[in-house]
Amino acid sequence: IVLAQSPGTLSLSPGERATLSCRASQTISNNYVAWYQKKPGQAPRLLVYGASNRATGIPDRFSGSGSGADFTLSISRLEPEDFAVYYCQQYGSSPPLSFGGGTKVEVK
Amino acid sequence: EVQLVQSGGGSVQPGGSLRLSCGASGFTFNSYWMTWVRQAPGKGLEWVANIREDGSEAYYADSVKGRFTISRDNVQMSVSLQMNSLRVEDTAVYYCARSRVMYCSGGRCPSGYWGQGTLVSVSS
Repeated sequence: IVLAQSPGTLSLSPGERATLSCRASQTISNNYVAWYQKKPGQAPRLLVYGASNRATGIPDRFSGSGSGADFTLSISRLEPEDFAVYYCQQYGSSPPLSFGGGTKVEVK
Repeated sequence: EVQLVQSGGGSVQPGGSLRLSCGASGFTFNSYWMTWVRQAPGKGLEWVANIREDGSEAYYADSVKGRFTISRDNVQMSVSLQMNSLRVEDTAVYYCARSRVMYCSGGRCPSGYWGQGTLVSVSS
């Protein structure tokens, strides 16, 4: 399954809303999509699993939605620490488990 | 506290071999799938391989199949990645990771905890 993330880069200001898209080449079973945050020099951090479930300790400004082949990660009000690269991953089919190409959220 | 501490890595010439290790603590190691993910310089995340709780199943990305081997030692609570026939394009930071939950079905699970990453550089 190929995952296409858009846009490639999102230029926003702190306090604004971010909407990131992840589209799959085919329907993802059980909506098994996860979202990760990646900052330079740090390990990835799981934000959302099962398309819409926040991982432990993740602030409620992060929310995931979608089904079938179209999924979205929303950040309601960007905090300074939210500027990073975000990846979706599908785990609905047997491995290999694929990642999308990423969306960079940068300061406008 | 869940901890994954990675070791190994470094520089090697094309065609060479390296072994990465990841020691685990703070959880019931033999109840979780373990995964390796890498990120080449300036590139995105790439899933590499994962291995079942008891080591009886393993899966690989096409890009590493036949060259890399994932294994685990549930007594020592560690997972390893043996990398042979290394290529320049294998240059990346490699991360080990633990599945979010225990006994996920068929290795189909996101990774909830990650190691610190280790750099592998392949060049002549």
